[in-house]
Amino acid sequence: EAGVVQSPRYKIIEKKQPVAFWCNPISGHNTLYWYRQNLGQGPELLIRYENEEAVDDSQLPKDRFSAERLKGVDSTLKIQPAELGDSAVYLCASSLVAGTREQFFGPGTRLTVL
Amino acid sequence: QKEVEQNSGPLSVPEGAIASLNCTYSDRGSQSFFWYRQYSGKSPELIMSIYSNGDKEDGRFTAQLNKASQYVSLLIRDSQPSDSATYLCAVNRGRRALTFGSGTRLQVQP
Repeated sequence: EAGVVQSPRYKIIEKKQPVAFWCNPISGHNTLYWYRQNLGQGPELLIRYENEEAVDDSQLPKDRFSAERLKGVDSTLKIQPAELGDSAVYLCASSLVAGTREQFFGPGTRLTVL
Repeated sequence: QKEVEQNSGPLSVPEGAIASLNCTYSDRGSQSFFWYRQYSGKSPELIMSIYSNGDKEDGRFTAQLNKASQYVSLLIRDSQPSDSATYLCAVNRGRRALTFGSGTRLQVQP
């Protein structure tokens, strides 16, 4: 069974530029999560989708971040414009159902903002 | 107070020894508890999940949960150099996403 797929794996951009990350969850997984992980810290939730509905986006900086999950499968996370503090690893995870079941992570996208 | 607390380490153990990793959490309503292993430059990999008080064993790994003390631990028996990584404790409640600790770095010395 294929795991969570993310692209690109690495991205280097200048500040104020836009950037987008793509995620395809494990087949059949209804719940999709975007996390951000800073160096030396655990992942922190940005947004959670159940099917195509964003059910928890309270930690998403909405002035510059946006996300979508059309058709309830793959998802895109966008930052516009990027700031130096956005440098981090952006992780996508999925689970069969929301809540107590295990979440599986993709390889992540390492973003460097110069 | 952080929601999930872990000692950052590094925890250094000799090869073949038992490594003991600990985690405390603040939300008494937490229902599910997970341990993830993260190698440097890689994403977190799920190694154990536990949902009820007591011990759960899987190969060389044992997870222990004590909800009254709000404490979760992971024991790694016969530690190998390949176990050297950062171990992340994560908890959640209901339909929420995971809340992670900052991780404990484990070093297994050959």
